[in-house]
Amino acid sequence: ILNVEQSPQSLHVQEGDSTNFTCSFPSSNFYALHWYRWETAKSPEALFVMTLNGDEKKKGRISATLNTKEGYSYLYIKGSQPEDSATYLCAFEGFNTDKLIFGTGTRLQVFP
Amino acid sequence: EPEVTQTPSHQVTQMGQEVILRCVPISNHLYFYWYRQILGQKVEFLVSFYNNEISEKSEIFDDQFSVERPDGSNFTLKIRSTKLEDSAMYFCASRRGEHEKLFFGSGTQLSVL
Repeated sequence: ILNVEQSPQSLHVQEGDSTNFTCSFPSSNFYALHWYRWETAKSPEALFVMTLNGDEKKKGRISATLNTKEGYSYLYIKGSQPEDSATYLCAFEGFNTDKLIFGTGTRLQVFP
Repeated sequence: EPEVTQTPSHQVTQMGQEVILRCVPISNHLYFYWYRQILGQKVEFLVSFYNNEISEKSEIFDDQFSVERPDGSNFTLKIRSTKLEDSAMYFCASRRGEHEKLFFGSGTQLSVL
């Protein structure tokens, strides 16, 4: 059974703090690692899709790294703002499959 | 910006009743999906649909579930005889190409009483 784990489950930070969370996934049969941001009462929205070992992607204050050999990805938020409050989901996508396997998510709350 | 739309946003039904959840994927997308999240659990894959047929389905997607793309724009999920354990948030998603990012709808909260 393929398992995707995220830590921590939840995180409370002050505005201006930088933060990071982890996604671990199977290192075999890897094709892509997805990150989604899910705000309450909205639909999950794609942040990054990463495929190459060592890949780093950036979108504003949010960046992500990927290590496919050891099976982990980090998501970093620099200078957190209250509007960054959301659940951040990662999802593993393998070869020869059409489905994403999601982690449990990290729920981030940023206090002003 | 184009978006995936889902209706209804909430559906309450009695156990044993049939429900149909509706989705309109983004128009130039070719791959369509249903996922669900039971409260407190992970988002889980139900089914994928490409080229007018199911391409992959999970163990959850048994004979009680079916999908249809009747008219080239709508994509529906039918549950024939709902069970209590079908209560969940159901998300439709689509993407333009294989292995690209998913675009999700805002979900249908299904409550089976």
